[in-house]
Amino acid sequence: GAGVSQTPSNKVTEKGKYVELRCDPISGHTALYWYRQSLGQGPEFLIYFQGTGAADDSGLPNDRFFAVRPEGSVSTLKIQRTERGDSAVYLCASSLSGTGNSPLHFGNGTRLTVT
Amino acid sequence: AQSVTQLDSQVPVFEEAPVELRCNYSSSVSVYLFWYVQYPNQGLQLLLKYLSGSTLVKGINGFEAEFNKSQTSFHLRKPSVHISDTAEYFCAVRRSGGSYIPTFGRGTSLIVHP
Repeated sequence: GAGVSQTPSNKVTEKGKYVELRCDPISGHTALYWYRQSLGQGPEFLIYFQGTGAADDSGLPNDRFFAVRPEGSVSTLKIQRTERGDSAVYLCASSLSGTGNSPLHFGNGTRLTVT
Repeated sequence: AQSVTQLDSQVPVFEEAPVELRCNYSSSVSVYLFWYVQYPNQGLQLLLKYLSGSTLVKGINGFEAEFNKSQTSFHLRKPSVHISDTAEYFCAVRRSGGSYIPTFGRGTSLIVHP
């Protein structure tokens, strides 16, 4: 079956611009996660959705970052007033449920470059 | 809170040699443990997981890992590596029970030389 799909695969934007990154999870997966991966680092947690609601957004670095999942499927990560420090690979993952024994399935990521 | 330490940022080995990638974790409660592999320009794929039961866990591509509670470790091993195993490997820990967020280590780059 189809895996987690992330679009675009690459995004180059200028400092100060607004960007949206899209994640299409595996059908039927109720849990959805956003992580950020900087060069040479492991994935860093941003936000977790259970269904339509953000169950944990403690990883969002500041109020320029926001994410939605209005119908409990596709999610969009939104970054306002982008800064060069936002450059990273943004990873989306989904799992069948949010419980600990349900492994995460990752997309290929969106590489964001802020110039 | 939990944390994961992968002390080795890079591990170079020759093809057909054995390899061990080290992972230590810190948590005050019971945990689930995972190893993921990331090939260039791809997302993370699950290699194996420890949830409960036997402490020796076998995964895909001939990899295995052993959970050692007393040493809080979950090292990944393979008896004979291939060139195709060259990738980034991430250890992750997650509190058991409830909906908790997995925490990842910084990764170990396995480089297999011919």
